[in-house]
Amino acid sequence: DVKVTQSSRYLVKRTGEKVFLECVQDMDHENMFWYRQDPGLGLRLIYFSYDVKMKEKGDIPEGYSVSREKKERFSLILESASTNQTSMYLCASRPLGGGGYEQFFGPGTRLTVL
Amino acid sequence: QKEVEQDPGPLSVPEGAIVSLNCTYSNSAFQYFMWYRQYSRKGPELLMYTYSSGNKEDGRFTAQVDKSSKYISLFIRDSQPSDSATYLCAMTYGQNFVFGPGTRLSVLP
Repeated sequence: DVKVTQSSRYLVKRTGEKVFLECVQDMDHENMFWYRQDPGLGLRLIYFSYDVKMKEKGDIPEGYSVSREKKERFSLILESASTNQTSMYLCASRPLGGGGYEQFFGPGTRLTVL
Repeated sequence: QKEVEQDPGPLSVPEGAIVSLNCTYSNSAFQYFMWYRQYSRKGPELLMYTYSSGNKEDGRFTAQVDKSSKYISLFIRDSQPSDSATYLCAMTYGQNFVFGPGTRLSVLP
């Protein structure tokens, strides 16, 4: 069964802290994505990766960085958390080739920055 | 103009009603059109997809794509309380993937 897992379901951090969100997929997918989801704004792409050690900026990369050292793992890093980064963070993966219309999502991490 | 627009709702209907959810888009390059369902505190899951124009039916769900009008719809027949969720439209071409903001649906018993 297809599975994308995220390290935490709920996280509370303070302004200025460095925050790590981890995502692991077991489907051997090449592409992995990080989104944030906010009411009325939908899913907004932060970063994506199409291969190990490769990364591309999405629509809202400011204040975030990513790391992909292994194919199955994609990490999102908030270098210095701010209150406007309070959001639901969703990781997704997708195969490179056929069937590429579907993204498989993790359960999300609800991050609160105080 | 946003690339994909969707009425955010919330939409409340009685059990058994027919539900119509819609999205409009601006980029004629989109090829695959999808509907994702997201239950509270869960990630989105693919419900249905359609390639190019036309209709697709799966049980109580029907997806329609009208590329000439840049308009897609999801119909839910005989709606059930278990259909209560947020429905996100999504569309893609190549490696470009765009989601609508989602419509929150409540089906009341």
